[in-house]
Amino acid sequence: AAGVIQSPRHLIKEKRETATLKCYPIPRHDTVYWYQQGPGQDPQFLISFYEKMQSDKGSIPDRFSAQQFSDYHSELNMSSLELGDSALYFCASSSQLAESYNEQFFGPGTRLTVL
Amino acid sequence: AQSVTQPDIHITVSEGASLELRCNYSYGATPYLFWYVQSPGQGLQLLLKYFSGDTLVQGIKGFEAEFKRSQSSFNLRKPSVHWSDAAEYFCAVGPFSGGYNKLIFGAGTRLAVHP
Repeated sequence: AAGVIQSPRHLIKEKRETATLKCYPIPRHDTVYWYQQGPGQDPQFLISFYEKMQSDKGSIPDRFSAQQFSDYHSELNMSSLELGDSALYFCASSSQLAESYNEQFFGPGTRLTVL
Repeated sequence: AQSVTQPDIHITVSEGASLELRCNYSYGATPYLFWYVQSPGQGLQLLLKYFSGDTLVQGIKGFEAEFKRSQSSFNLRKPSVHWSDAAEYFCAVGPFSGGYNKLIFGAGTRLAVHP
């Protein structure tokens, strides 16, 4: 079965640079979520999109922005990177029309390292 | 505010021994509850979920969990642990009003298995 795809899997950036993370949800899933997991931490919700509209917002820094495109893939843009942005970034997807609409399927994550 | 507490940061068991990982939640209504497992450097894999109905739910890899409303708990159990079960386990709750099913995670319990 198709899973959530994230690219790149690993990314190394310098401080103050910009990074773009991509997420391709499971086909026919309409909702995408982004989570950030710092070293030794639990995943923290950043932002979500439903049908290309922002549906919820968590503890996402103003330096970060995200959007969901017409093909339902999503991109997380991170500017002015700081050392503290080093983390594993997860994307998850779900379908609001499915019986198990509360179940989120997670991608493998993008490991961002800021030097 | 909604929250999830996993009281045990680290647990060590011997292979073949039984296991119980604790999870307590704080939520105003009946929550949707999840257990995820994460191997080092890997993504989150859903072990099991509780939405409604039978309070004892079965998951993958021989895991089960029991929802106890009176105790606000959703403890994960396995009768006989295998060395491959060594990983980090996260309990999560959702959905929450005003959002599209974002998950709130506990801090995680790291499981070590001795041969």
